[in-house]
Amino acid sequence: TQLLEQSPQFLSIQEGENLTVYCNSSSVFSSLQWYRQEPGEGPVLLVTVVTGGEVKKLKRLTFQFGDARKDSSLHITAAQPGDTGLYLCAGEWGSGTYKYIFGTGTRLKVLA
Amino acid sequence: DTEVTQTPKHLVMGMTNKKSLKCEQHMGHRAMYWYKQKAKKPPELMFVYSYEKLSINESVPSRFSPECPNSSLLNLHLHALQPEDSALYLCASSRLQGYEQYFGPGTRLTVT
Repeated sequence: TQLLEQSPQFLSIQEGENLTVYCNSSSVFSSLQWYRQEPGEGPVLLVTVVTGGEVKKLKRLTFQFGDARKDSSLHITAAQPGDTGLYLCAGEWGSGTYKYIFGTGTRLKVLA
Repeated sequence: DTEVTQTPKHLVMGMTNKKSLKCEQHMGHRAMYWYKQKAKKPPELMFVYSYEKLSINESVPSRFSPECPNSSLLNLHLHALQPEDSALYLCASSRLQGYEQYFGPGTRLTVT
């Protein structure tokens, strides 16, 4: 059972388009992180969302945490080729287990 | 400084070899992690150390042996690996277990 499902799994868009990536769970998370990973490199932390309903902006990236803290979204405005990569949501699952789990991943390709 | 370093960057080893992967951080983080990542998949948790003690072992085969000599260093000793163990091995650290993680660049391991 995958605890953090991301959609879409793959996305190929033209430069300048907008897109949204979703991260969904049936479990409550105390916080969620979003990472971007390029081939052969480690994931790079983009943002942490903690409060239900929270919205954070990082330049052209907007992150939202669901009110019930079971889901999150990442919206990219005017995508650029440099946004290409694997986007991963992740968080600590379960109370007291301290298990950190990753979502299934969204592979984004932005074409020039 | 939010850097986690890993050595070596690439490693090729035979099935009878013994090798070690090394990871270092100087952020004062008290939790360190090993992940295995196969191509086009999200990272899979292998081990977690918290305050230099093994906290989580995700049923990893004994041919992988972690070691945490001090709060800044994390090793992964490899012995009698199989070709299917070929993957990107990622180290990460966090302030405390379950908090947002910072990843190293990874070691690309090939078992021949």
